[in-house]
Amino acid sequence: GESVGLHLPTLSVQEGDNSIINCAYSNSASDYFIWYKQESGKGPQFIIDIRSNMDKRQGQRVTVLLNKTVKHLSLQIAATQPGDSAVYFCAEIGGPFNKFYFGSGTKLNVKP
Amino acid sequence: DAGVIQSPRHEVTEMGQEVTLRCKPISGHNSLFWYRQTMMRGLELLIYFNNNVPIDDSGMPEDRFSAKMPNASFSTLKIQPSEPRDSAVYFCASSPLAGGLTGELFFGEGSRLTVL
Repeated sequence: GESVGLHLPTLSVQEGDNSIINCAYSNSASDYFIWYKQESGKGPQFIIDIRSNMDKRQGQRVTVLLNKTVKHLSLQIAATQPGDSAVYFCAEIGGPFNKFYFGSGTKLNVKP
Repeated sequence: DAGVIQSPRHEVTEMGQEVTLRCKPISGHNSLFWYRQTMMRGLELLIYFNNNVPIDDSGMPEDRFSAKMPNASFSTLKIQPSEPRDSAVYFCASSPLAGGLTGELFFGEGSRLTVL
């Protein structure tokens, strides 16, 4: 079946630096991708999404880039803050019933 | 606004006991999802409902697992009998459109289950 994976399980960055979290997906037919943030003890929260007809989408301090050629998704966080420390999941929507397939997650540690 | 509400937040039980997890979706959302999260397997979709009807239950691991949605404001996930390998955090999520087409799933805080 479809699968979504992450390159780095843990990422440590200095407060104020930019963070880049990467994700690979396997289903070339997926047309919708989402990044979620999960803080300790909480459920995942929607951050930003992107459709396959786009290469880039920007939000507040976050940018998602989609490279369909190599089936790669990235989340860029500008001026990383301690409150950004969490696990980040990418997810793709695809297959029958438009199911969500979540990656294994990347833990972001922000050092003060 | 109230988000997705799950109960209990934590449950510790012994192997063989019945476990019932409950979820109240966001009012007006017509899709409801049950996920299981473990370190080994990440977030797994167990089942999803649209307009109270189960659409896809292919993720339900075994017959020991069952889910119901008797009305638009309530769903249960039941495990009977429970086993230690069922220990996980179970999340309920809801979405305003069929199949979560908006991409925005609203998750509850989760129910942490420990089966001894």
